[in-house]
Amino acid sequence: GQNIDQPTEMTATEGAIVQINCTYQTSGFNGLFWYQQHAGEAPTFLSYNVLDGLEEKGRFSSFLSRSKGYSYLLLKELQMKDSASYLCAVMDSNYQLIWGAGTKLIIKP
Amino acid sequence: NAGVTQTPKFRVLKTGQSMTLLCAQDMNHEYMYWYRQDPGMGLRLIHYSVGEGTTAKGEVPDGYNVSRLKKQNFLLGLESAAPSQTSVYFCASSSGDYANTGELFFGEGSRLTVL
Repeated sequence: GQNIDQPTEMTATEGAIVQINCTYQTSGFNGLFWYQQHAGEAPTFLSYNVLDGLEEKGRFSSFLSRSKGYSYLLLKELQMKDSASYLCAVMDSNYQLIWGAGTKLIIKP
Repeated sequence: NAGVTQTPKFRVLKTGQSMTLLCAQDMNHEYMYWYRQDPGMGLRLIHYSVGEGTTAKGEVPDGYNVSRLKKQNFLLGLESAAPSQTSVYFCASSSGDYANTGELFFGEGSRLTVL
């Protein structure tokens, strides 16, 4: 079966750095996505990786290793507004998105 | 600046009742999707459409029907609601051009409770 694993919940301190991991087992791979979802709101797109390596976008970076079936989202200089759930999703060989259950990130002052 | 709009935002139904959720997008996107989101689970695809007049089943289609009569609208119907269909429903759209990012644009969600 297809599976996306990410931690259920993480806590970090304002101003610090946090890394959210995602491991996947899917039938084929056509890219990995990270989305942010604030409580009670819609998911919004953060990043897309299809090749190995690090993609940097401001305070957020996303890393992919296809051989290891592994990705992480790195958030720097954490702000209170970064408190949200972070969803990892993989596009399989049929171009269908397989979603993880999400990681709830709690930021403390 | 509307993007993807869902109506209604909230609804309470009794078991056996029917209802339709409406999704409208103004980005001229070809692809539209209906997902449900339940606590502790990832988004699950119910049905999707790759263009006007076409629909296809997703991961969890049972108990739902859809129609895409116009490119900008995607309707999700529940013929006979069951408590297991209590969930938050999200509509999403995309250009379908996966050569780029395949980014999905989501509506604000519709919270449905079936008693």
